Amino acid sequence: GQQLNQSPQSMFIQEGEDVSMNCTSSSIFNTWLWYKQDPGEGPVLLIALYKAGELTSNGRLTAQFGITRKDSFLNISASIPSDVGIYFCAGRMRSSNTGKLIFGQGTTLQVKP
Amino acid sequence: DAGVIQSPRHEVTEMGQEVTLRCKPISGHNSLFWYRQTMMRGLELLIYFNNNVPIDDSGMPEDRFSAKMPNASFSTLKIQPSEPRDSAVYFCASSFQGNEKLFFGSGTQLSVL
Repeated sequence: GQQLNQSPQSMFIQEGEDVSMNCTSSSIFNTWLWYKQDPGEGPVLLIALYKAGELTSNGRLTAQFGITRKDSFLNISASIPSDVGIYFCAGRMRSSNTGKLIFGQGTTLQVKP
Repeated sequence: DAGVIQSPRHEVTEMGQEVTLRCKPISGHNSLFWYRQTMMRGLELLIYFNNNVPIDDSGMPEDRFSAKMPNASFSTLKIQPSEPRDSAVYFCASSFQGNEKLFFGSGTQLSVL
């Protein structure tokens, strides 16, 4: 089935550093979303993107919808310990008219105080 | 709103037993999704409902899995008989009108011994 390639798989950084992760697909998506999952909880929506080239921020988080519509990026600036968790990209294909999403495999982020 | 409510949070059972997972979506949401999360396969969509009607169950692994949504405020995912390979975290999520912004429950951690 359709897959999203998310990288890196994991990151171990120092508090205060900036973080970048991305997600790519071989198909065109009309919606990209980024979720964060804390241990023992379900994913929580961070940012939703709807237009190619769109750049959206949520506090220290910034995400972009790639121009080709086949990729998306998430940046976290000045990381803090509570940023720890698993970050998932998710996309809805152009051909879909439902909420059915395809998820990436996740990027596990660890922040050293 | 209390969010999406799942029960139980943890379930440990023996191979061959029937397992029933429960979900209460957010009030007013008319789309409901069941996902399974494992280390190997990540987040997989099992089935989703729109207005209590199953729309796509292509992700259901096999006939041992069944899902129902008897009304707008309740859904069940049943595994009968359960097998050790069914061990995973099962998430329920809901959205409004099939919107891509999914709200997840806290999940049910299932262990089949």
